[in-house]
Amino acid sequence: AQSVTQLGSHVSVSEGALVLLRCNYSSSVPPYLFWYVQYPNQGLQLLLKYTSAATLVKGINGFEAEFKKSETSFHLTKPSAHMSDAAEYFCAVSDRGNQFYFGTGTSLTVIP
Amino acid sequence: DGGITQSPKYLFRKEGQNVTLSCEQNLNHDAMYWYRQDPGQGLRLIYYSQIVNDFQKGDIAEGYSVSREKKESFPLTVTSAQKNPTAFYLCASSIQSRTSRLDNEQFFGPGTRLTVL
Repeated sequence: AQSVTQLGSHVSVSEGALVLLRCNYSSSVPPYLFWYVQYPNQGLQLLLKYTSAATLVKGINGFEAEFKKSETSFHLTKPSAHMSDAAEYFCAVSDRGNQFYFGTGTSLTVIP
Repeated sequence: DGGITQSPKYLFRKEGQNVTLSCEQNLNHDAMYWYRQDPGQGLRLIYYSQIVNDFQKGDIAEGYSVSREKKESFPLTVTSAQKNPTAFYLCASSIQSRTSRLDNEQFFGPGTRLTVL
């Protein structure tokens, strides 16, 4: 069975500071891993995805995530936070059947 | 432009009424999904369909029904049996490729916010 745990339902960072959003997964098969972003009253937009080609994955808006099999983690980072990064972030794991299992989300606040 | 459309954006319903949420995609995707989103609970799968004329229950299917008569369309009906229907509903689709790991992300529509009065 697949599952995702996002540590910290709310994260606050200062503008220009490092963003670190944590995601740990559980999967009985090699996982497909994803990070999505959601702005208020909108759908989810794909930030990046892990496809086994490289453990460090670069996404849109300056975000990246590193797949660490030994730690079963896929944490999302960005070196310098912008005000426009304030949103809800979801980590997801997928099995080969294309079902997705989403974490409960992390709300990112950026303090000016 | 290809994408997923959901309508309406906001929907109000009286208790005891059924209501149908529309989801259309022109991405030529085989698989389509319906999720319910409540604050602090993330996304919960209601129903999904991997092919036309076939669909499966997700984790919270009670009080909901779907149909998949066309590849492009996957409407969701919220019935009066759903005890707490006020939520944000998201439709998604994916290619459903079993051979390529690169194409399996889900694409989401803009959502429908349903409020029961």
